Amino acid sequence: EAGVVQSPRYKIIEKKQPVAFWCNPISGHNTLYWYLQNLGQGPELLIRYENEEAVDDSQLPKDRFSAERLKGVDSTLKIQPAELGDSAVYLCASSGQNNEQFFGPGTRLTVL
Amino acid sequence: AQSVTQPDIHITVSEGASLELRCNYSYGATPYLFWYVQSPGQGLQLLLKYFSGDTLVQGIKGFEAEFKRSQSSFNLRKPSVHWSDAAEYFCAVGITGGGNKLTFGTGTQLKVEL
Repeated sequence: EAGVVQSPRYKIIEKKQPVAFWCNPISGHNTLYWYLQNLGQGPELLIRYENEEAVDDSQLPKDRFSAERLKGVDSTLKIQPAELGDSAVYLCASSGQNNEQFFGPGTRLTVL
Repeated sequence: AQSVTQPDIHITVSEGASLELRCNYSYGATPYLFWYVQSPGQGLQLLLKYFSGDTLVQGIKGFEAEFKRSQSSFNLRKPSVHWSDAAEYFCAVGITGGGNKLTFGTGTQLKVEL
């Protein structure tokens, strides 16, 4: 069974540029999460989807961050414009009925 | 709001020695508790979880953890560490009715000396 897939694995951009991350969850998992992990810290939830509905986006900085999960399967997280402080690892996770979260390898973003 | 404290940022143990990683949580009711491991450049892998019942939980790779309500702790243990256990370990708490939202600690970096 394939795990959570994320792309790209690494991204380097200049500040003020836009960037997008893609996530494909485990097949059959209705719940999808995006986390932000700063260096030396644990992951922090940005947004959680139940199918195509964002049910918890309270920690998403909506002035520059957006996310979508149009068909309730894969998801895209976007930052526009990126700032230096956005350099971090962006993790995607998914869960099924037992609520156990499975994590992807993450996208490491560097903003110059 | 719930919170998790992992007091040890770094721990070094010799291969074959026992290991205990500390985790303390703050939450008003019985929490769901998790331990994850993260190797460099990898996502998080679930080691074990506690939802209810037996307070001693067995996980993968020979790890176990014990939930102690009186101490608000959920420490991770392994009787004999292998060099491949070197990684970062995260404790997390989930709350009942919280929609499976997890709050993570800051992690403990484990180094294994050969």
